[in-house]
Amino acid sequence: GEDVEQSLFLSVREGDSSVINCTYTDSSSTYLYWYKQEPGAGLQLLTYIFSNMDMKQDQRLTVLLNKKDKHLSLRIADTQTGDSAIYFCAERTQGGKLIFGQGTELSVKP
Amino acid sequence: EPEVTQTPSHQVTQMGQEVILRCVPISNHLYFYWYRQILGQKVEFLVSFYNNEISEKSEIFDDQFSVERPDGSNFTLKIRSTKLEDSAMYFCASRTAGGSMYEQFFGPGTRLTVL
Repeated sequence: GEDVEQSLFLSVREGDSSVINCTYTDSSSTYLYWYKQEPGAGLQLLTYIFSNMDMKQDQRLTVLLNKKDKHLSLRIADTQTGDSAIYFCAERTQGGKLIFGQGTELSVKP
Repeated sequence: EPEVTQTPSHQVTQMGQEVILRCVPISNHLYFYWYRQILGQKVEFLVSFYNNEISEKSEIFDDQFSVERPDGSNFTLKIRSTKLEDSAMYFCASRTAGGSMYEQFFGPGTRLTVL
């Protein structure tokens, strides 16, 4: 069945790069997303990648997609304390629903 | 900037009681969704709704659950007889008919606690 897996925690120092990894199972997914959740807030779309791309860069964010291995990663350059949040990987199924991973809690230490 | 709103932010209820969770999607959106997240677990899809009917529902969305768009602005999730295991954060989401990335916009969630 459809499944998305992420590691649960990542801790980095301010100014370092963060890399959050995700694996998914549905090879027919057309879009893959990264959502950010700050305490008390909803899920905010951070970036996305279309399945025919292997990389997308958006300012400090770089998304890499390895479709063969069904592996997605999010790299945040020059991580700041304001980046501390939970990051969710999600795939969009053919029917339109999103399948989420467990979320990776990113902790940025000054 | 338009946003999805949800009320209440926290609902406490007794097992067996009915609850209605309310959402106001973004005004020009046509697709509506409910997801939930049990503490420590993944965000799970419950149901999608378009053109006044359910498009897709998950196994979780059994006869105890229903959704409704009673007017042009609200989108509600009703749980008829709550169980302890219904305790979770419930997220509403909406999106436009098209768009380049099918982005779903999420509300802040309602935390449901069933005692």
